[in-house]
Amino acid sequence: GAVVSQHPSWVICKSGTSVKIECRSLDFQATTMFWYRQFPKQSLMLMATSNEGSKATYEQGVEKDKFLINHASLTLSTLTVTSAHPEDSSFYICSARDQKGNQETQYFGPGTRLLVL
Amino acid sequence: GESVGLHLPTLSVQEGDNSIINCAYSNSASDYFIWYKQESGKGPQFIIDIRSNMDKRQGQRVTVLLNKTVKHLSLQIAATQPGDSAVYFCAESEGYSTLTFGKGTMLLVSP
Repeated sequence: GAVVSQHPSWVICKSGTSVKIECRSLDFQATTMFWYRQFPKQSLMLMATSNEGSKATYEQGVEKDKFLINHASLTLSTLTVTSAHPEDSSFYICSARDQKGNQETQYFGPGTRLLVL
Repeated sequence: GESVGLHLPTLSVQEGDNSIINCAYSNSASDYFIWYKQESGKGPQFIIDIRSNMDKRQGQRVTVLLNKTVKHLSLQIAATQPGDSAVYFCAESEGYSTLTFGKGTMLLVSP
């Protein structure tokens, strides 16, 4: 299947700093990518939909000024957690939509674990 | 102090048994359903999908059943192996809209 990578796989930062997470589709082009966060023993919660060349669409309750999303190319989307605080510690997962004809499949990255001290 | 956390429903089976994981969905207009497997510390991995014009689809050792009348989805894993131990999520979408994930079920397979 298609491969989606994330970098870094884990990051520890001090409170107040910003952290950038990259999501890449390695063998297909993705006009649409998604960012999720997942707390322990919980399901994935969609944060935003990232569209190549346009602004991201954020889910209700997600601060767009805090979680900056940039989808500058068909294979790369970035999520920047600005002024991170301990409550932002979570597992962040991206996914990319692979469209072949009239079939679409969403492939997930391996996730990035963020710990804010 | 002690914190109260959420507990995933857990299904414990013996190696070689067949496993059935269930999922109830809420949107009657959903027409696309997927099962994902998530191992600890990893991202979800696609297992099998089904569209609403079908009620059954089979893959390698897995079968997905869809009952639109009662909005129920199930994943059957034949001859379950220890490597199948993970959290399994169902997800639904309407058209090409975003996926909505279910709460997840933890599958524990004992050798």
